[in-house]
Amino acid sequence: GNSVTQMEGPVTLSEEAFLTINCTYTATGYPSLFWYVQYPGEGLQLLLKATKADDKGSNKGFEATYRKETTSFHLEKGSVQVSDSAVYFCALSSGAGSYQLTFGKGTKLSVIP
Amino acid sequence: EAGVVQSPRYKIIEKKQPVAFWCNPISGHNTLYWYLQNLGQGPELLIRYENEEAVDDSQLPKDRFSAERLKGVDSTLKIQPAELGDSAVYLCASSPRTSGGADEQFFGPGTRLTVL
Repeated sequence: GNSVTQMEGPVTLSEEAFLTINCTYTATGYPSLFWYVQYPGEGLQLLLKATKADDKGSNKGFEATYRKETTSFHLEKGSVQVSDSAVYFCALSSGAGSYQLTFGKGTKLSVIP
Repeated sequence: EAGVVQSPRYKIIEKKQPVAFWCNPISGHNTLYWYLQNLGQGPELLIRYENEEAVDDSQLPKDRFSAERLKGVDSTLKIQPAELGDSAVYLCASSPRTSGGADEQFFGPGTRLTVL
């Protein structure tokens, strides 16, 4: 079956530091990959996505590249802000049009001034 | 436009008591999902509705959990009786069309259930 493994948190960074949150996956076929963010007290929001190998998803300064050869989809941001403090979830679906999401356990990020 | 609304936001009950969660999806969204999120875990799908029909309830523990979406709009998820292990966050999500993919799911803030 499908599975997602992401680095355990919590992760604490100073403002303007570089962020990497690792995510690897196991899936058959050609999954679509996602990063969701959950701010305190709010629902999950789609941050970015990639639907095929070598695609790069990007949003709000965050980026992730779909690497089929390493089955990875690491999240990066060059300079984090205090407002980026949240829990980040890596997820996959079986492919385009599939509604079934498989999530990782989430990584809590805290950014300090 | 209002997002997915869930109530209550927090609920504390004693074991063996019943509990119900309510979800109002984004207006016009035909598809509604209920997810379970245990502490330190990602969400897991419990049930998916297309309009008033439950089209995927394979992950719903039917011995104690039930759900309904009678008019194809808002939905209720019920647990009876609740057990200690049911303490978790219950998330509702909706999407605008029945053939929508995973990236079209919009999540509510969740209901945090504590069973004592």
